[in-house]
Amino acid sequence: AQSVAQPEDQVNVAEGNPLTVKCTYSVSGNPYLFWYVQYPNRGLQFLLKYITGDNLVKGSYGFEAEFNKSQTSFHLKKPSALVSDSALYFCAVRVVNSGNTPLVFGKGTRLSVIA
Amino acid sequence: NAGVTQTPKFQVLKTGQSMTLQCAQDMNHEYMSWYRQDPGMGLRLIHYSVGAGITDQGEVPNGYNVSRSTTEDFPLRLLSAAPSQTSVYFCASRTSGPGEQFFGPGTRLTVL
Repeated sequence: AQSVAQPEDQVNVAEGNPLTVKCTYSVSGNPYLFWYVQYPNRGLQFLLKYITGDNLVKGSYGFEAEFNKSQTSFHLKKPSALVSDSALYFCAVRVVNSGNTPLVFGKGTRLSVIA
Repeated sequence: NAGVTQTPKFQVLKTGQSMTLQCAQDMNHEYMSWYRQDPGMGLRLIHYSVGAGITDQGEVPNGYNVSRSTTEDFPLRLLSAAPSQTSVYFCASRTSGPGEQFFGPGTRLTVL
């Protein structure tokens, strides 16, 4: 079975400071990993993904994430937070080469960037 | 491309009523799925489909039916609505490869 853990329900950061939103995963095999963002009363928007190759993945709006196989982690990072980054962030995983396997989501982390 | 569309955006039902949430995609994606989002629970998979005529259950399928007669459409049926089904419902689609999943705007359902 595959699963995702986002250990923090809420992350608070001051504007201009770096931010990290944590994600760890569990799969039988190699993972595809994704980050999504949800703004209030909106659907989920794709931010970035790890498929293979370079462990540091760059995505939309200046976000990046680092895949760490030994720690089974895929933390989301941004060097300088903006107030507009305040939203709900979801990490998701599915197994490589398993076309029929659904995407499994974590419970989400609410990011609040304070001016 | 309209992407993934969902109707209606809002719906209020009484306990015991039935209804269908509509979902359509115009990206020729094989894979479609339905999630529900509840506070503190993240997104939980209800049903999914890997192609026309093929569906399977997710984590929380009870009380819901699906069918996939075409590649484009994947409706979700609530057979007899219960207050526990009050939630926001999202439809999503993707290709069978490593691509990302695309989400619809959601349907906010309240069951009284």
